[in-house]
Amino acid sequence: DSGVTQTPKHLITATGQRVTLRCSPRSGDLSVYWYQQSLDQGLQFLIQYYNGEERAKGNILERFSAQQFPDLHSELNLSSLELGDSALYFCASSVETGRETQYFGPGTRLLVL
Amino acid sequence: GDSVTQMEGPVTLSEEAFLTINCTYTATGYPSLFWYVQYPGEGLQLLLKATKADDKGSNKGFEATYRKETTSFHLEKGSVQVSDSAVYFCALSDRRGGSEKLVFGKGTKLTVNP
Repeated sequence: DSGVTQTPKHLITATGQRVTLRCSPRSGDLSVYWYQQSLDQGLQFLIQYYNGEERAKGNILERFSAQQFPDLHSELNLSSLELGDSALYFCASSVETGRETQYFGPGTRLLVL
Repeated sequence: GDSVTQMEGPVTLSEEAFLTINCTYTATGYPSLFWYVQYPGEGLQLLLKATKADDKGSNKGFEATYRKETTSFHLEKGSVQVSDSAVYFCALSDRRGGSEKLVFGKGTKLTVNP
């Protein structure tokens, strides 16, 4: 158990809908990262927050957004969902942003029908 | 940009066989290097890491050495077990822009048969 929690574990929804994925980092970790794992693209970095501020953006679509709250939990919002958004979404956390190890949550598996 | 290339799988071995999974990288600067493992139906777990050239990371019998001259970080284990069956990901840390995002290889699926 990494100490990073993600909810829900599974999510099934329809095209055009909007969903919110939630992540709670390890106690004391200030940095949260979101990654997408899909069969065709592999594991890709989406976005990073550090202590409530956006720190870096990767291959994140404009339909996706994220935020980190004062209690340091983070949410990833996915809107106008398409079939191709079906993937496993991981959250990871680290103490700061430097040479720190990232610890991954169990992931949320999203299926868009 | 930075990238990681690891050997295509799947890899199938018998128990107690020697394992090598090749990983090479392209990066500006001096990234940290990682191996993560994903067991069936689970998330990613850090297996080992190395933060500078010639460092050797090791854990659970697995080893990898950060080779700057060959830009490689090959994963090795002397004697695999059935419980090592999983997907293994090589990754580097991309620190551009003050972040520490990970860039992953495509993963190598290992199956160990009894």
